[in-house]
Order: sequence, then structure tokens, then C-alpha cells
Amino acid sequence: AQKVTQAQTEISVVEKEDVTLDCVYETRDTTYYLFWYKQPPSGELVFLIRRNSFDEQNEISGRYSWNFQKSTSSFNFTITASQVVDSAVYFCALSEAEGGYNKLIFGAGTRLAVHP
Amino acid sequence: EAQVTQNPRYLITVTGKKLTVTCSQNMNHEYMSWYRQDPGLGLRQIYYSMNVEVTDKGDVPEGYKVSRKEKRNFPLILESPSPNQTSLYFCASRRHSTNEKLFFGSGTQLSVL
Repeated sequence: AQKVTQAQTEISVVEKEDVTLDCVYETRDTTYYLFWYKQPPSGELVFLIRRNSFDEQNEISGRYSWNFQKSTSSFNFTITASQVVDSAVYFCALSEAEGGYNKLIFGAGTRLAVHP
Repeated sequence: EAQVTQNPRYLITVTGKKLTVTCSQNMNHEYMSWYRQDPGLGLRQIYYSMNVEVTDKGDVPEGYKVSRKEKRNFPLILESPSPNQTSLYFCASRRHSTNEKLFFGSGTQLSVL
């Protein structure tokens, strides 16, 4: 069955530290998409990245980077030189072709607290 | 501005009193969906709609109804709310034919007493 696991419930770091948020997924589908969303204290959901199952290239966007490894079914997210504004809940999510991409399966989320 | 608008932002009600949470998008998206967010569970899909008059159940549809009479609107109806429906609700939309990102509304925090 499809599932997304974010084992880290809460992470606390000091500003400028690097931090990695783990995401492990389960799917029987060979075609799927993985997403990361950020939920700041204000509550809205902010899209960060989408990656399809055929593209294992790592991606970097400023201080953010993503490591996709199909061999370990992981899609980890690293923030380099963290800042207080990075404090938020981060969700990893999976969408499968078999379901017509009609459902996003979310992990439970990781709450990141960045302290000055 | 492209957006998904939910109302109300906050709602406190009592058990059994019917309520509707409205959702409207201005992007001409075919696909719309409702999710609820609960601590430790992430977001779970309630219902989705692929177009006008086409709706289907998600993972947790019990106690909810939806309708899609117009493309832009997708209201969530709780006919007889119960305390276990206390949650943060999100409406989302995207174009149907692709797997682009979902655009989410700002959320509705519902408390059922």
C-alpha cells in the first residue's frame, strides 16, 4: 500500500546549522511524483518541489536541496545554513499514476524549529 | 491574482448543527479536492472532483458531503458535525490533465463542541 513516512516528528537547530528532513515512501507504482510542502506558522501550505519517479537528479534551489534515491525509496530535503524563517512544518507527499494522480498521500510532517 | 479562497477561516459550532465550508478558485482548474489535517497524521483526502458534477471519495469521506455544480466552487458540507471532525481543513485545486502542484487555500480551522 502507498505510504509516506517522515520519522522525525520535531527537529530543533540553531541558526546557520545545516539540517536534513527525511522522507521515505512506499509504492507499487513505477510512475509517481514526490512533493515537498512547507507550512509556516501562519498555516498556509507552500509548494517547494515536485519530482517524478524517472528523474533521480538531485536538485538545488538556493539554500534548499533534495536528494532522491529510488534504491532506498527516499526523498530527503536539506536546508543549508538554516534561518529562523525556515521554522515551519514540512510535509513530504506522494502521488501515483495508478490513482490517476487524484490523491496526494502526505507524511505526518516534520516540525522544524530554528533558533537564533 | 491566482488563488483558492476558503471561508470561513475559523469556525466554532456545536454537534449536529449543519455547516458548509466554501471553496472557490479563479484559475479555471478542473480538479479540486478537500483535505483535513490532524496532528501526527498529516493531511488526508476527504473528497475530490475531476470536473463539474464529477466527485469521488478520498480516504476519509465519512460524515462529509461535497457538490460541484460550478467549475469554480467546491463546498464541503457537514450535515451533522461531531467532535471528531474538529480539524484544519484545506481546499486545493489544479488542472486535471497534469500532475502539477496543488494550489491550496488558506485553511479553515473547525472546532465542533
